[in-house]
Amino acid sequence: EVQLVQSGAEVKKAGESLKISCKGSGYSFTSYWIGWVRQMPGKGLEWMAIIYPDDSDTRYSPSFQGQVTISADKSTSTAYLQWSSLKASDTAVYFCTRRSSGYYVFDYWGQGALVTVTS
Amino acid sequence: EIVLTQSPGTLSLSPGERATLSCRASRSVSSTYLAWYQQKPGQAPRLLIYGASGRATGIPDRFSGSGSGTDFTLTISRLQPEDFALYYCQQYGSSQYTFGQGTKLEIK
Repeated sequence: EVQLVQSGAEVKKAGESLKISCKGSGYSFTSYWIGWVRQMPGKGLEWMAIIYPDDSDTRYSPSFQGQVTISADKSTSTAYLQWSSLKASDTAVYFCTRRSSGYYVFDYWGQGALVTVTS
Repeated sequence: EIVLTQSPGTLSLSPGERATLSCRASRSVSSTYLAWYQQKPGQAPRLLIYGASGRATGIPDRFSGSGSGTDFTLTISRLQPEDFALYYCQQYGSSQYTFGQGTKLEIK
């Protein structure tokens, strides 16, 4: 069974750093792109970035380029999203998601991680 | 960047009725790369439709997708109580992925 299990909720202060994780299982982790999607409170879905774990090839949305860093560790089948200096506007639920091969859609999703940034 | 505009913003219908949700792209999208998702409160999105008209695994046949170019449609033929949720379209192009702003399907 394909599963993406994310790290838990975080409460941080503005200016702090943060790295959240997403562990894949039940499939070949290095064969599928993993993306991150933001959902701000009461708002819609926003694609942030995507990585191919086999060679760490990455793509970023222009809206998030330079704001976050995506990475992956093949040895532990885990993808990461990190911030060097959080802002209150980073408060959101962050989902990791697997991109299917062929149709470029997101077929499996993590449970989401709520990040709350206080000012 | 391709912008996806979904309409209506909110759709109020009764169980058993037919729902038609629209997704319009700012420029032509390959049908291969157009998808629809359902999201319920407190849950992750679930893939419903891929390639504009293909049903994802386990999705009931009352859900269907159609369209091409800039206009795509998700149809739910006979609404069940569990279908009342948020729906998003999503496209891929030029190494970028974008979502529509969503349509809320609520019980009338």
